[in-house]
Amino acid sequence: DTEVTQTPKHLVMGMTNKKSLKCEQHMGHRAMYWYKQKAKKPPELMFVYSYEKLSINESVPSRFSPECPNSSLLNLHLHALQPEDSALYLCASSLQGSAYNEQFFGPGTRLTVL
Amino acid sequence: AQSVTQPDIHITVSEGASLELRCNYSYGATPYLFWYVQSPGQGLQLLLKYFSGDTLVQGIKGFEAEFKRSQSSFNLRKPSVHWSDAAEYFCAVGAPTSYDKVIFGPGTSLSVIP
Repeated sequence: DTEVTQTPKHLVMGMTNKKSLKCEQHMGHRAMYWYKQKAKKPPELMFVYSYEKLSINESVPSRFSPECPNSSLLNLHLHALQPEDSALYLCASSLQGSAYNEQFFGPGTRLTVL
Repeated sequence: AQSVTQPDIHITVSEGASLELRCNYSYGATPYLFWYVQSPGQGLQLLLKYFSGDTLVQGIKGFEAEFKRSQSSFNLRKPSVHWSDAAEYFCAVGAPTSYDKVIFGPGTSLSVIP
């Protein structure tokens, strides 16, 4: 199984809502990533978990809260988002959290904040 | 810190024609270099990577790339493009810094004319 799954595929939320994005992999990878991608732009790294510990936080606003319950699961909790947070949110995983490891990407969650 | 540029924002080629996508990087030593492809509405998929050794690397889907240290380049090539190659292509660079993260270039959008 070389797949990273993400749910939901699409999410529309108001600025006062609380929602969560979910990511799952069963490749035995020990590093997992959240990226934000705006249209016609490259992915921007948000968070990296390595061995279930947060290793990188790219100064992301606190309205985004990551969680790694176990080595296969990664969540992104959303609260009080702004319209400019609308984007494609990509999850990825790699064998280990090192720059030379290939990252496997999920299809993303398309988020719209009204 | 490492950085990467892709001089061509958009390229259009005819089906069956050859293709070259340019990538230039900035880093003090030999970085880890990657090419990823993103089809519309999808996550990213690794085409190929270079760490060391033979400077011409072969990837999936008939793609190859050549690392040229003197030019700080890692250009992607394909001898004959298929309509299904239409997608966004991202060059990425990684370095064994304390953060071990990968930086994506701005991307090149490829259109294929039948």
